[in-house]
Amino acid sequence: QKEVEQNSGPLSVPEGAIASLNCTYSDRGSQSFFWYRQYSGKSPELIMFIYSNGDKEDGRFTAQLNKASQYVSLLIRDSQPSDSATYLCAVKVGGNKLVFGAGTILRVKS
Amino acid sequence: DTGVSQNPRHKITKRGQNVTFRCDPISEHNRLYWYRQTLGQGPEFLTYFQNEAQLEKSRLLSDRFSAERPKGSFSTLEIQRTEQGDSAMYLCASSLNLQVEGGYTFGSGTRLTVV
Repeated sequence: QKEVEQNSGPLSVPEGAIASLNCTYSDRGSQSFFWYRQYSGKSPELIMFIYSNGDKEDGRFTAQLNKASQYVSLLIRDSQPSDSATYLCAVKVGGNKLVFGAGTILRVKS
Repeated sequence: DTGVSQNPRHKITKRGQNVTFRCDPISEHNRLYWYRQTLGQGPEFLTYFQNEAQLEKSRLLSDRFSAERPKGSFSTLEIQRTEQGDSAMYLCASSLNLQVEGGYTFGSGTRLTVV
């Protein structure tokens, strides 16, 4: 079992819709979780982090964490074509480094 | 502060040659990480430094790979006797003790093509 798993997609949503991206992780002791966005040919950029159960909102983005289910999600409201990218889920492991999932490709169609 | 800087941006080399990449982290960041990313995959951890000490190396890092951070500032990643399977994007990231608020800041990466 991979440490961090994501559906590779692509996930296609119409402009203005809510995009829902999901991630599961295997290390029950993990405490910190991150979402990165990566445009084609570019490096990942941090968009959200969460470490408490529940929801965390930042603008159009909401991260959700359920430690009991070992599940993290990212919701993007009012999706825009500029949101089309690969979204990487990352989990802090061993207190020292981030382990990344393979990413989910999001396509927002205008 | 110009962020994390990596050089070169692109490198094409012949199989069997040695290559070296450089990473300049954000100046106040004491942790520096190297990752490798291939098409369709997420970044894979290679190694990390706290100041000048290399604290962890992935088993992915064969003995052809070596990384240094001699003065706790910039870092170099060298690949000896390159193989076609080494073709990837090599990403450097830095952080301040991986603070809960921070995550990493990545550089633009060095894309290596081995022909």
